[in-house]
Amino acid sequence: KQEVTQIPAALSVPEGENLVLNCSFTDSAIYNLQWFRQDPGKGLTSLLLIQSSQREQTSGRLNASLDKSSGRSTLYIAASQPGDSATYLCAVRAGTYKYIFGTGTRLKVLA
Amino acid sequence: DGGITQSPKYLFRKEGQNVTLSCEQNLNHDAMYWYRQDPGQGLRLIYYSQIVNDFQKGDIAEGYSVSREKKESFPLTVTSAQKNPTAFYLCASSPDRGGTSTDTQYFGPGTRLTVL
Repeated sequence: KQEVTQIPAALSVPEGENLVLNCSFTDSAIYNLQWFRQDPGKGLTSLLLIQSSQREQTSGRLNASLDKSSGRSTLYIAASQPGDSATYLCAVRAGTYKYIFGTGTRLKVLA
Repeated sequence: DGGITQSPKYLFRKEGQNVTLSCEQNLNHDAMYWYRQDPGQGLRLIYYSQIVNDFQKGDIAEGYSVSREKKESFPLTVTSAQKNPTAFYLCASSPDRGGTSTDTQYFGPGTRLTVL
């Protein structure tokens, strides 16, 4: 059974710091892995999608990597800003309509 | 603007009542999904639909029902059989029928349901 874990559950950093969020999964048979952002009381916004054949994806200050063999993905945020404060969730697509979500990392960037 | 809308934003239910949550998309997506989000837990799939007039149970379908009469609409009914319905409900859609690894799920803003 596929399980997705995110560590840490919460993180506070000063503005300007580079940071890494971690996501691990137990079964390497995935279609893709996606990182989402969720603001309090809101829906999810897709940040990056990495296909199973890819190693990384970049968008602006965000870089996501995927290592299927070890069951890990990282989301790197460069030069963090207070506006980056949100909960970040990763999700693996484990089947045709099967998406497994982690419980998220709640990030607070202090001004 | 293209997107997914959910209504209402907040909903209060009395014991024994059925309530219906609305989800509409104008993205012309085939697949639609309903998830439940509880504090400290990941999103859990309630139901999904690949195409009009077809839907499948997810991991926690008991106490819920759906319909898919139109491509753009996928309402969720929370019945009185759902014993612990207080949660944040999210609707999503994706553009294909699951055949590729590039498809992205798009989410609505959510409905927060509270049982009084």
